[in-house]
Amino acid sequence: GQQVMQIPQYQHVQEGEDFTTYCNSSTTLSNIQWYKQRPGGHPVFLIQLVKSGEVKKQKRLTFQFGEAKKNSSLHITATQTTDVGTYFCALYSSASKIIFGSGTRLSIRP
Amino acid sequence: DVKVTQSSRYLVKRTGEKVFLECVQDMDHENMFWYRQDPGLGLRLIYFSYDVKMKEKGDIPEGYSVSREKKERFSLILESASTNQTSMYLCASSLKDRGFDYGYTFGSGTRLTVV
Repeated sequence: GQQVMQIPQYQHVQEGEDFTTYCNSSTTLSNIQWYKQRPGGHPVFLIQLVKSGEVKKQKRLTFQFGEAKKNSSLHITATQTTDVGTYFCALYSSASKIIFGSGTRLSIRP
Repeated sequence: DVKVTQSSRYLVKRTGEKVFLECVQDMDHENMFWYRQDPGLGLRLIYFSYDVKMKEKGDIPEGYSVSREKKERFSLILESASTNQTSMYLCASSLKDRGFDYGYTFGSGTRLTVV
């Protein structure tokens, strides 16, 4: 079945630095979603990308879907302590079922 | 504010007990899901349901069963709890056929410890 690899597993940055997490698939994806899970919390849906080469922004967060629709990235500009958490990509597999990547845990030095 | 509510935040059960985890959503969503989340293993799908009284196995259904008697409620059952079922259990729901537009809405989770 479809799988998605997410890297890096962990990222520790100084507050104010940028952060990027990547999701890669060996097969073409119909769409990709991104979720954020705060420590001790539950995953919260951030966004979905559908179109080849699509770029969407939410304040300091920039989401990209690759031209070949096999990869995606989430970039955070000038991280803040509120950005701490684990970021998951997820792909729509079939019949409304979503497969989650392994996640990237972001920690921030104040 | 739309919600997915899980009945317990923390639960401690003994090995061999039958355990019920309850999940209720107030969004009239057709799809409901049960995941477990373990460090280093991410989110793994246990069971899901697209409609009342229907269920589908996910990736790790062994040792679990589910019940969906009403649209808003999806129960996860551990028939005979074992220590390797100690985990965080997350319930989620989504709209049928449009879940991919809005994503899943998750409950706050139940941290189950089996001793």
